[in-house]
Amino acid sequence: GAVVSQHPSRVICKSGTSVKIECRSLDFQATTMFWYRQFPKKSLMLMATSNEGSKATYEQGVEKDKFLINHASLTLSTLTVTSAHPEDSSFYICSAIPPGTDINYGYTFGSGTRLTVV
Amino acid sequence: DAKTTQPPSMDCAEGRAANLPCNHSTISGNEYVYWYRQIHSQGPQYIIHGLKNNETNEMASLIITEDRKSSTLILPHATLRDTAVYYCIVRVNAGNMLTFGGGTRLMVKP
Repeated sequence: GAVVSQHPSRVICKSGTSVKIECRSLDFQATTMFWYRQFPKKSLMLMATSNEGSKATYEQGVEKDKFLINHASLTLSTLTVTSAHPEDSSFYICSAIPPGTDINYGYTFGSGTRLTVV
Repeated sequence: DAKTTQPPSMDCAEGRAANLPCNHSTISGNEYVYWYRQIHSQGPQYIIHGLKNNETNEMASLIITEDRKSSTLILPHATLRDTAVYYCIVRVNAGNMLTFGGGTRLMVKP
C-alpha cells in the first residue's frame, strides 16, 4: 500500500537552532500534505496544510514564520522549525492522501518525528 | 464537524472483545463516523468508518445506533498489539482534513 516516510524519526537540537523534518510520499504523488503536532499524552493537532507549488495554509495560532513549510515537489514536503525552543519539543506527524483512494479513509500517516529541544 | 466524546481509558483482557464507545449526539445527517488508532510513537492508522449501517472489516466492527448519536468500535479478539489510543472522528465526507479528539487509551492485558 501507499507509504508516507518521515525523516528523521528522532532529533535532538540545541535551543535557538533550526530543524528540518522531511515528509515523502513513496510510490505516489501528493499535491496536499498535512502536518500535525502532538504533545505527550495529548491528541494530534493540525498545524498546517501543505500545498505543492503554493503557500501552506496554517491553522489559527500556528506561527508561519516559525514553522516553515515547503512543498516543492509532488513527493516531498518539509517542515522547518526555526529558532527552536524547548516548548517546541513535540511529536510531529505528516499525512497525505494517495490519488485515487477514497478521501474518507485514504489518509496515510508518516511514522512521526520526535523533536527534543535542549 | 460534530464533536465526539470518548472515555479516556479502558482495559481489556487479551483474547476478549474490546468494545470502545463514542458519543456524537450532535452528528449531522451527512457526517460519517471514522475510527483511527495510534500505537505509541507511531502515526495514526485507519480502522473503519460508517454512515448509519453497521460495518465490519478484517480489523474491527462498527456498530452505530439507530439515532446515530453514538457508536461502538468492537475488536473481536483483542491482542497485546491492539494496545493503542483509539480516536472516534465525525466528519463530512468531503472534508479535507481530520480533526482528532482526546481518544480512548486501550490497554490490552495478558
